[in-house]
Amino acid sequence: AQKITQTQPGMFVQEKEAVTLDCTYDTSDQSYGLFWYKQPSSGEMIFLIYQGSYDEQNATEGRYSLNFQKARKSANLVISASQLGDSAMYFCAMREANAGNNRKLIWGLGTSLAVNP
Amino acid sequence: GAGVSQSPRYKVAKRGQDVALRCDPISGHVSLFWYQQALGQGPEFLTYFQNEAQLDKSGLPSDRFFAERPEGSVSTLKIQRTQQEDSAVYLCASSLAGSGEITGYEQFFGPGTRLTVL
Repeated sequence: AQKITQTQPGMFVQEKEAVTLDCTYDTSDQSYGLFWYKQPSSGEMIFLIYQGSYDEQNATEGRYSLNFQKARKSANLVISASQLGDSAMYFCAMREANAGNNRKLIWGLGTSLAVNP
Repeated sequence: GAGVSQSPRYKVAKRGQDVALRCDPISGHVSLFWYQQALGQGPEFLTYFQNEAQLDKSGLPSDRFFAERPEGSVSTLKIQRTQQEDSAVYLCASSLAGSGEITGYEQFFGPGTRLTVL
């Protein structure tokens, strides 16, 4: 069964430092996509970054990069130069590409990140 | 720019009341999803529409939950005879792609409706 595991309920980081948020996944499919979303206290889910299972290079979007290790089934999010506004919940999610009409995302429990000044 | 909007943002219902939650997706987005997010949890899939067709409703927790998207744009999630366990944030998301496409896959979320059932 598809599953996303985020083992860090909470993380602290000093402003301007880098932080890595862990995500491991379980799927029997060869084709899938991995997503990271940010959820501030306002509640809205904000898309950050996407990695396809066949992408050879790690995805990057500004200060966000995804450390994709396919053999280990991990897709860790790296935030460089943390800012106070990065304090939020972060969710890892997966979509299986061969699920027919089912395009739903499977989500982890999230990691709460606090950036200290 | 026009993102996904949801209304109401907050809803308090007495146990047994019916509620209707509205989602306005991004214009032109083919796919629409509803998720339920309990406090301290990740979202859980409820149902998926491609245009007006409801292609997957496997996540709806009971027959008290009903969703529709009659014209392929605005969607309504209806919960009949609400129970306390229905208290959660209901998130709506839309994406440009349909199920047969491999790009435009990002799901863009609305702010959610926080439902509290007393």
